[in-house]
Amino acid sequence: LAKTTQPISMDSYEGQEVNITCSHNNIATNDYITWYQQFPSQGPRFIIQGYKTKVTNEVASLFIPADRKSSTLSLPRVSLSDTAVYYCLVGDYNNDMRFGAGTRLTVKP
Amino acid sequence: ETGVTQTPRHLVMGMTNKKSLKCEQHLGHNAMYWYKQSAKKPLELMFVYNFKEQTENNSVPSRFSPECPNSSHLFLHLHTLQPEDSALYLCASSQEGGLSLGGYGYTFGSGTRLTVV
Repeated sequence: LAKTTQPISMDSYEGQEVNITCSHNNIATNDYITWYQQFPSQGPRFIIQGYKTKVTNEVASLFIPADRKSSTLSLPRVSLSDTAVYYCLVGDYNNDMRFGAGTRLTVKP
Repeated sequence: ETGVTQTPRHLVMGMTNKKSLKCEQHLGHNAMYWYKQSAKKPLELMFVYNFKEQTENNSVPSRFSPECPNSSHLFLHLHTLQPEDSALYLCASSQEGGLSLGGYGYTFGSGTRLTVV
């Protein structure tokens, strides 16, 4: 399983763009990169998934460089409700997901 | 609702009690999981079931006993718990035991907040 490294915490203000970078130096050829969001006392929720280059959906964008050794989750114009823990996971359909500590994002008014 | 339903949402039990947590999914997934999340700690994978067969047990104490009668239901039977077992217990499901191409990975329930007194 590819190990991931993320910042423990980040602070931002409403309306700003937030970029959270995850390092996964040992990513395998078959691995996908998936980001989850977790609010207190709730289960993690899927945000976005990618394999390479850029993926965008209505919630976020995911940037993956050519070497795939890192990825960046970009949240445009965050609001207070985006305060949560964000997890980066790497694996393929044969892996059982083990979550790291994630990045605790705090959005301030 | 995520498609994965956990009951009860909250549970308070004494150390000598026996209780069960229930998880149900109707997403057509064939793998189900139990995770434990203690306060301000990462999620800990406890048990994995693929096609109703237990494929992983991460050194979980025997006071936790999982049961998967079919691919849509998962139980966690609890007995003789300790106060340190108080945590949020999360159930998740997925297709093909993990990530899938173009899929949504793991779908989690809202969890059961367990307090052992």
